[in-house]
Amino acid sequence: EADIYQTPRYLVIGTGKKITLECSQTMGHDKMYWYQQDPGMELHLIHYSYGVNSTEKGDLSSESTVSRIRTEHFPLTLESARPSHTSQYLCASSSLGANNSPLHFGNGTRLTVT
Amino acid sequence: GENVEQHPSTLSVQEGDSAVIKCTYSDSASNYFPWYKQELGKRPQLIIDIRSNVGEKKDQRIAVTLNKTAKHFSLHITETQPEDSAVYFCAAPESGGSNYKLTFGKGTLLTVNP
Repeated sequence: EADIYQTPRYLVIGTGKKITLECSQTMGHDKMYWYQQDPGMELHLIHYSYGVNSTEKGDLSSESTVSRIRTEHFPLTLESARPSHTSQYLCASSSLGANNSPLHFGNGTRLTVT
Repeated sequence: GENVEQHPSTLSVQEGDSAVIKCTYSDSASNYFPWYKQELGKRPQLIIDIRSNVGEKKDQRIAVTLNKTAKHFSLHITETQPEDSAVYFCAAPESGGSNYKLTFGKGTLLTVNP
């Protein structure tokens, strides 16, 4: 079934560790996004991509980085995790762009940095 | 960039009553307005969207109205049921050179009491 997949679902990690959150979609979408969301709170865009080899920073400053080497894959990396990075990270994709088609979200990765 | 205001932040209704959530946006060029529902612990999911060439759209118990002159749009849920309890987010796209980003409202926690 075409969908957007995120792994891991939950991650607890110590301060200073490097982590990569995985996001893959099988819908053939060009546009992909990363949002940060605290429980029950608003969604903040931290990164987005128009297509392969294209990445942009979002509205919320983030110490994370992203890459887009393949259309279906948009991983997010934290070089040195800190407690302030504790949050939920939601990956999303769309086909025609945000002004024409809806975003499809993954199930999210809930990150806790101790 | 786009600025989206959403009200109320919390809404409690009795089962069977109607619920209305309102959003305003700042960019008059915005032309696509989706609504997302996020149940506790789950991903946001699109429930209805409207484009600027129509003033109202309905899907069973859910409707969205759009007033482009006043730059506001509203979600209407009739005959509410306990399973409607969730956080609802409105959104509007960035316009101009970037058509690929959505700005979300801060969300409305809807509680439907049986």
